[in-house]
Amino acid sequence: DVKVTQSSRYLVKRTGEKVFLECVQDMDHENMFWYRQDPGLGLRLIYFSYDVKMKEKGDIPEGYSVSREKKERFSLILESASTNQTSMYLCASSPLHGAQQLNYEQYFGPGTRLTVT
Amino acid sequence: AQSVSQHNHHVILSEAASLELGCNYSYGGTVNLFWYVQYPGQHLQLLLKYFSGDPLVKGIKGFEAEFIKSKFSFNLRKPSVQWSDTAEYFCAVNAPLGTGRRALTFGSGTRLQVQP
Repeated sequence: DVKVTQSSRYLVKRTGEKVFLECVQDMDHENMFWYRQDPGLGLRLIYFSYDVKMKEKGDIPEGYSVSREKKERFSLILESASTNQTSMYLCASSPLHGAQQLNYEQYFGPGTRLTVT
Repeated sequence: AQSVSQHNHHVILSEAASLELGCNYSYGGTVNLFWYVQYPGQHLQLLLKYFSGDPLVKGIKGFEAEFIKSKFSFNLRKPSVQWSDTAEYFCAVNAPLGTGRRALTFGSGTRLQVQP
C-alpha cells in the first residue's frame, strides 16, 4: 500500500512565523503535490513537484514556497504565516506515466490542520 | 484554468434512497476523471476513476459513474445509500495546466448526509 505521511495532524502558529509542513511518501513516486482544503472551495493546488529540485506553481502559490531535496520528501513553507492561511493542508503523490502524465491517480496523506492566530 | 463544478453542495437522504451527484468540467481535450471520498476524520480515498473505454465505471462500495463526453459530465450514482456513505465527495479532473503538465483540479465537494 502507498503510504503518504505528514509531519503533524494539528499545528498552531502565530502570525508572522515561518512554518514548515513536511510530507513523505514511501512508493518512489515522481510527482508530489500540496493542496489546501477549505469548506465550500474543495481542494486547491498550491504547488507540485515532478522531480527532485523541480517545482511548478499551482492555482494559489502566493504566500507559499516548496522544497524537494529528496524524492520521497516534499516540504511546504509559509515564509510569514497569516491568518488567511488557516486551513487543512493535504499532501499527495502519484507515479509518472509517460510524458502526458495520463492515467494516474493521486494518493493522499491524512492532512495537517494549521491554525494561524 | 480548468474548472470542475459540483452543483450539489449538501445532500440529505434517507437510507435506501438513490443517489446521484453531479459533476461537470470545462476542459475539451482528453481527460481522466475521478471521484474521491472523505469519510469523517479520514483522509481522501479514491472511489472510482475513468481513464478510457467503457464510459460506465464501477467503483468500491457499490458506486458507479458515467462519463458523458458530449455533456462534459461525470456523475456519481448509487442505487441505495447506507448510513455509512455519509461523507464528502469530490470530483476531480486530470487536465493540463498552462505549463503543459497535468494535475488534478477538484470540485468544491458535496457533503452527503444519510439519515438512518
